[in-house]
Amino acid sequence: DQQVKQNSPSLSVQEGRISILNCDYTNSMFDYFLWYKKYPAEGPTFLISISSIKDKNEDGRFTVFLNKSAKHLSLHIVPSQPGDSAVYFCATANTGNQFYFGTGTSLTVIP
Amino acid sequence: GAGVSQSPRYKVAKRGQDVALRCDPISGHVSLFWYQQALGQGPEFLTYFQNEAQLDKSGLPSDRFFAERPEGSVSTLKIQRTQQEDSAVYLCASSPDAASSYEQYFGPGTRLTVT
Repeated sequence: DQQVKQNSPSLSVQEGRISILNCDYTNSMFDYFLWYKKYPAEGPTFLISISSIKDKNEDGRFTVFLNKSAKHLSLHIVPSQPGDSAVYFCATANTGNQFYFGTGTSLTVIP
Repeated sequence: GAGVSQSPRYKVAKRGQDVALRCDPISGHVSLFWYQQALGQGPEFLTYFQNEAQLDKSGLPSDRFFAERPEGSVSTLKIQRTQQEDSAVYLCASSPDAASSYEQYFGPGTRLTVT
């Protein structure tokens, strides 16, 4: 049973516009949420995170929003740049150091 | 500085063969994780080490899978009697300490193909 779901396998956005990537999770006990970015033939790289006690975390062009009541997580990238084209994974973690990843969303930013 | 490295990057094994996949974490990192990523899926947790102690191996799919980290640095994931369903990318990740293991640094992965 998937603990984390990314229902959009792909997303295309024009350069300069906002990219919104979504993620849903099932377990309300998760206490940390992360986004990773992955280029082909490379491992995922950490992008941004948020703890369960917050509802927003911002880092430059990247903002993560957490809606605990809806068990929903989103990543906003604004403005989107062609170099942001990659696969984005959301992940959740608990204090037991078990991590659960979604299936990823492939973002294409069109110049 | 050097990141997480994994070797080999690609491995082709015949069904029934044993394989060993190596992970060199970032020097000094306490926590080490192994993941299995099937095609079109996200990474799935296999096992977790804190220094040399294997604290969680609940994700290992069968007793054919074995991981070790004897000196708390390099780790090896061994798969015995490989099966076709073992074909996947195996990712290793490390993090500086147990408290901040939320932020993991991943290696490039080993792509295993079992024929």
